Amino acid sequence: QVQLVQSGAEVKKPGASVKVSCKASGYIFTGYYMYWLRQAPGQGLEWMGWINPNSGGTNYAQKFQGRVTMTRDTSISTAYMELSRLRSDDTAVYYCARSGGVVRGAEAFWGQGTLVTVSS
Amino acid sequence: DIVMTQSPDSLAVSLGERATINCKSSQSVLYSSNNKNFLAWYQQKPGQPPKLLIYWASTRESGVPDRFTGSGSGTDFTLTISSLQAEDVAVYYCQQYYSTPHTFGQGTKLEIK
Repeated sequence: QVQLVQSGAEVKKPGASVKVSCKASGYIFTGYYMYWLRQAPGQGLEWMGWINPNSGGTNYAQKFQGRVTMTRDTSISTAYMELSRLRSDDTAVYYCARSGGVVRGAEAFWGQGTLVTVSS
Repeated sequence: DIVMTQSPDSLAVSLGERATINCKSSQSVLYSSNNKNFLAWYQQKPGQPPKLLIYWASTRESGVPDRFTGSGSGTDFTLTISSLQAEDVAVYYCQQYYSTPHTFGQGTKLEIK
């Protein structure tokens, strides 16, 4: 079965960077896009972008352009999301989510989430 | 960006009664070449990631109870829970995946009356 296991909670100071990992199992890692999303405390869901694990190609939401970098390591079926120049309003739970592919589209399978707290 | 607007923001329904959540997109999410609406519904319970309930606007994900039904096309969509159960208490989101960025409605909080 599809599983996405994310790295643990992080506490960062403003201006720092954070890198969250998402280890995939139960399917062919290079066969499906991986999305990254976030959810601030008590708020709704915000889409950050995707990475094509096969080619490494990326598509970032304009809001995060210049601050976010999505990468992958196909040898260990792991996707990464790095966010730089952190601000207090970047405090959120960050999720990876696998595409449903041509069958489902959408963000079909989700990691458990990684809480990133930005505080001085 | 496509703006998704849900109504109502919150809803209280008695057990066994029907719950209806609406979602409107600022532009059509119907892809004419395959006649599919790129619209999904998610359920999120406290402390958990969202769970995909419905995709292509009306296709139920495997394992989702048949009391959950998605309908609509173009710009107007509805999620109906035919007979509310206690375990359905959650926040529900609609999402378009027609174009990037994939955008979500603000969420509808569903409670028991």
